[in-house]
Amino acid sequence: QSVLTQPPAASGTPGQRVTISCSGSTFNIGSNHVYWYRLLPGTAPKLLIYTNNQRPSGVPDRFSDSKSGTSASLAISGLRSEDEAVYYCAAWDDSLSVWMFGGGTKLTVL
Amino acid sequence: EVQVLESGGGLVQPGGSLRLSCTVSGSTYSDYAVTWVRQAPGKGLEWISGIAGRGGSTYYAETVKGRFTISGDKSKNTVYLQMSGLRAQDTAVYYCARGNSWEPYGTFAVWGHGTMVTVSS
Repeated sequence: QSVLTQPPAASGTPGQRVTISCSGSTFNIGSNHVYWYRLLPGTAPKLLIYTNNQRPSGVPDRFSDSKSGTSASLAISGLRSEDEAVYYCAAWDDSLSVWMFGGGTKLTVL
Repeated sequence: EVQVLESGGGLVQPGGSLRLSCTVSGSTYSDYAVTWVRQAPGKGLEWISGIAGRGGSTYYAETVKGRFTISGDKSKNTVYLQMSGLRAQDTAVYYCARGNSWEPYGTFAVWGHGTMVTVSS
C-alpha cells in the first residue's frame, strides 16, 4: 500500500503544462526532500528532480517541483511526446525509517 | 562514471531463497548508501531495503522484514540482498541504486537496470 498519494493518471497535449500532485504526512513530505522519478517500460528509474528544483545533470528545466506542507507537485512544461511515462514521487519517512513511494501517475501525451 | 549492476535473479519456488547482488563500479560503494526497490508486474515501485554507508544501519519495508537481509562486501564493492521464504507476491523486477551520500535518506541518482525474480512452482 502506497503511503504517498498520487493521481493514477494525467494527460496533456504537446506544448502544454501539466502538474502531478503527491500527498503525504508530516513525517515524510513534511520533513524531508521529495524526489520525483520517471519510469519507462524496461528501463531503470530515472531521477528527475527533487526539492527546490534540484536536477541531476541532463534533466531539462522543463521539469520543476514545488512543496507546501505535506504536499508536493511535479510540473512539466512544454510537454513532449517523449514525456509519456509513469512518474513516481518518493520521500523518506522519519517515523518508520523507510522510503515511501507514491502509487505512480501515468502521463499520457494526447 | 558510477555504474550499478544487479544480478542473481531467476526462477525460484515458493518458500525458496535467492541472493541478489548489486555491484557498484566507479566508486567505493561503502562510502554511500545503497537501496533496493522492486516493481511487481503491473504494479508501481516499492522500496524494500536499504543500507547506510560507512558500515551503517540497515532498513527494511514491513513486507520483507524478517525474510530479506541486506549486507555489503567492501572488498567486492557489492551489496547483497538475501531473500528467503519467497512468496509469489515477491515476483518483481528488483532495482538497486547508489546514493549520493552515506545517509539512507539521501539522493539516489544512479540506478541499475534491474534483475527479474520470479517465484513460482
